[in-house]
Amino acid sequence: GENVEQHPSTLSVQEGDSAVIKCTYSDSASNYFPWYKQELGKRPQLIIDIRSNVGEKKDQRIAVTLNKTAKHFSLHITETQPEDSAVYFCAASYQNNDMRFGAGTRLTVKP
Amino acid sequence: GAGVSQSPSNKVTEKGKDVELRCDPISGHTALYWYRQSLGQGLEFLIYFQGNSAPDKSGLPSDRFSAERTGGSVSTLTIQRTQQEDSAVYLCASSSLGQNYNEQFFGPGTRLTVL
Repeated sequence: GENVEQHPSTLSVQEGDSAVIKCTYSDSASNYFPWYKQELGKRPQLIIDIRSNVGEKKDQRIAVTLNKTAKHFSLHITETQPEDSAVYFCAASYQNNDMRFGAGTRLTVKP
Repeated sequence: GAGVSQSPSNKVTEKGKDVELRCDPISGHTALYWYRQSLGQGLEFLIYFQGNSAPDKSGLPSDRFSAERTGGSVSTLTIQRTQQEDSAVYLCASSSLGQNYNEQFFGPGTRLTVL
């Protein structure tokens, strides 16, 4: 089955700096890669996703890149703000099949 | 519209007792997932239901854990003879069939405490 690894487990940046979180996956058939944000005490919520037919997707201050050959994908947050502080999870799945999550990255943005 | 709901929101039980956790997915969503999240940890996959197919139970940590989904809608996760290490937040998520790529919508979770 699919195995997703995520790094780093914790990340601390200064407000305004960029943050990068990286994930690798094992199943070359996986073709959907979402990122979820979980604020303290709240449920995970989708913030951005990428499908295997594109290499990059951007939405305002967040972007995701995908390298299918190397089987890794990354989340980039620019101009970080304190409200970006949360736990971020990557995931991988094949169409409607079950989704497997990475272990999460706790991002702290210091004002 | 209504999102995924879970009940109870909190459950405190004594070691050795059985508990049942309920998940009501978004109406029309045919895929349903259960995850366990220990304090400060990631999302541990437990079980996955997709339509009428046999569920993927590969994530269930022991035979004390079971889940069923009646009528393709509501799901119940049952933990028998609870242990202290079962203490965690149990999250349910659902997604729709009919698309190739499905966002999972999470419920608020049930916080289980085993004394």
